[in-house]
Amino acid sequence: GENVEQHPSTLSVQEGDSAVIKCTYSDSASNYFPWYKQELGKGPQLIIDIRSNVGEKKDQRIAVTLNKTAKHFSLHITETQPEDSAVYFCAASRSGGGADGLTFGKGTHLIIQP
Amino acid sequence: DSGVTQTPKHLITATGQRVTLRCSPRSGDLSVYWYQQSLDQGLQFLIQYYNGEERAKGNILERFSAQQFPDLHSELNLSSLELGDSALYFCASSVIPSTAVTGNTIYFGEGSWLTVV
Repeated sequence: GENVEQHPSTLSVQEGDSAVIKCTYSDSASNYFPWYKQELGKGPQLIIDIRSNVGEKKDQRIAVTLNKTAKHFSLHITETQPEDSAVYFCAASRSGGGADGLTFGKGTHLIIQP
Repeated sequence: DSGVTQTPKHLITATGQRVTLRCSPRSGDLSVYWYQQSLDQGLQFLIQYYNGEERAKGNILERFSAQQFPDLHSELNLSSLELGDSALYFCASSVIPSTAVTGNTIYFGEGSWLTVV
């Protein structure tokens, strides 16, 4: 089955700086790669996703890039703000998260230092 | 607020017991997913239902079962509980089963904390 590795496990950045979280996946058939943000006491919330026919996608301060050849994808957050502090999870699926569910990475605890 | 409602929020029970976790999907969502989140295993897909029918199975133990009712709410039944079953159980929903083509957004609830003592 699919295996998703996520790095780093903890990332501390100064407010206003950029943050980058990287994930690699093992199943070349995976074609859907969402990123979720989980705040303390809450469930994961989808913040951005990308499909294998697209190399990059942006939504305001958040962007995701995908390299299918290398089987890795990354989350980029620019101009970080205190409210960006949370745990971020990457995930991969060959079925859009349906038939095989989403395989999640172990998460990155992002800390925004004031 | 995702619109996915889970009850109870917290539950403490003893080993060997059985519990039921309840989930109401977002209004209009026909597909329900269950996930388990633990410190050692992370977030793991358990099972998916669509319009009352089981659609996909992940790493769900035989001691666990689920169902989706005609009103689309779902229940996850955990029996013969062990200490290792202590975890956060999430329900999620989407309009229709998310596929590689449709890629419907999957919305997660806030989870049910289960502690087995």
